[in-house]
Amino acid sequence: QQQVKQSPQSLIVQKGGISIINCAYENTAFDYFPWYQQFPGKGPALLIAIRPDVSEKKEGRFTISFNKSAKQFSLHIMDSQPGDSATYFCAASKAAGNKLTFGGGTRVLVKP
Amino acid sequence: EPEVTQTPSHQVTQMGQEVILRCVPISNHLYFYWYRQILGQKVEFLVSFYNNEISEKSEIFDDQFSVERPDGSNFTLKIRSTKLEDSAMYFCASVRDYGYTFGSGTRLTVV
Repeated sequence: QQQVKQSPQSLIVQKGGISIINCAYENTAFDYFPWYQQFPGKGPALLIAIRPDVSEKKEGRFTISFNKSAKQFSLHIMDSQPGDSATYFCAASKAAGNKLTFGGGTRVLVKP
Repeated sequence: EPEVTQTPSHQVTQMGQEVILRCVPISNHLYFYWYRQILGQKVEFLVSFYNNEISEKSEIFDDQFSVERPDGSNFTLKIRSTKLEDSAMYFCASVRDYGYTFGSGTRLTVV
């Protein structure tokens, strides 16, 4: 199966709070798991990515947690800011640069 | 920072008409992709292009679709006879090594 399932569909968080978005995949051949941020009228932009040989990767306020046995990974946005309000997509591919299979997206709204 | 440029940003076309969506990828990138996003839905892979030929295509990419790199720089997606269900955002992406760069997309509206 090629699906990547993402939840929740939407999320409202107060400024300073933590946003958590979860994804699950089925294809064990996937080896690269990026997260993309998309603002209205723009294309997806790479936020952070992880490979299954590590369980966590942190870049600034953004952290990916990866659970290979459960075939799940999640994005945590710490100290959420109004500027983080966007749609976030998880994705998976068999290698970096290969075709991406996207999750359904999560619309995040950070309230001031 | 280098960008992927897509034109037009918005195109409205009559059902049954041909449309050509254009993309200027980043010059030293080697792999090129088209994805589409129907309003409110996820981003879906259409086709990948490498070394001037299609390397992979999805079930969506049927005989009505074609891609070309006519002059070594521009990368085009043609839909020969548009259907209402082709209405979507179409994103071009170019890739080198590990990095994907997406364009801002073309919103295609078929009426």
